[in-house]
Amino acid sequence: DQQVKQNSPSLSVQEGRISILNCDYTNSMFDYFLWYKKYPAEGPTFLISISSIKDKNEDGRFTVFLNKSAKHLSLHIVPSQPGDSAVYFCAARRTARQLTFGSGTQLTVLP
Amino acid sequence: EAGVAQSPRYKIIEKRQSVAFWCNPISGHATLYWYQQILGQGPKLLIQFQNNGVVDDSQLPKDRFSAERLKGVDSTLKIQPAKLEDSAVYLCASSGQESTEAFFGQGTRLTVV
Repeated sequence: DQQVKQNSPSLSVQEGRISILNCDYTNSMFDYFLWYKKYPAEGPTFLISISSIKDKNEDGRFTVFLNKSAKHLSLHIVPSQPGDSAVYFCAARRTARQLTFGSGTQLTVLP
Repeated sequence: EAGVAQSPRYKIIEKRQSVAFWCNPISGHATLYWYQQILGQGPKLLIQFQNNGVVDDSQLPKDRFSAERLKGVDSTLKIQPAKLEDSAVYLCASSGQESTEAFFGQGTRLTVV
């Protein structure tokens, strides 16, 4: 039962352009949504989060949008930089503070 | 502030052998998690501790996996006996009362041959 889905295994974007990573979920009980970035041989690092009562959260080049009616969220990175190349995981938190992860999207930013 | 520490970084064992992983969470973090990440998949929660009590171990294969968090700080995860399908990265994470996010260690890459 995949409660959090990332349907695009990979995404390639030109440096300076916008990267849009998408995530869908099925459980209406999630109270927070988070994005993590993972480089090879390292653990996931927290990037940005959004509460289920918000529809947008922005932090520098990173913006997360939440559409509760569609059970969909997206991460926008603008402008994209080569150092942003990594695997991005969408995660959703339940009230017990457990995180359920999607399968990840490999972002490659081309110079 | 020191991050989540895990050891060893890598481990190769034969099937049916046993293995143990160690985790030291961020100081003061009451919640500790063990996740299993199989290649090409997202991390999957195995067990969650709150201090030294288990909050959720519903996805822990209890016939072969065990975990403990004595004194509510460090934790160990053990697999006995290991199977080929246990090959994965085992991630430890911790979170504090005021934080939304969990902080992850670098993980232990286990290869069962």
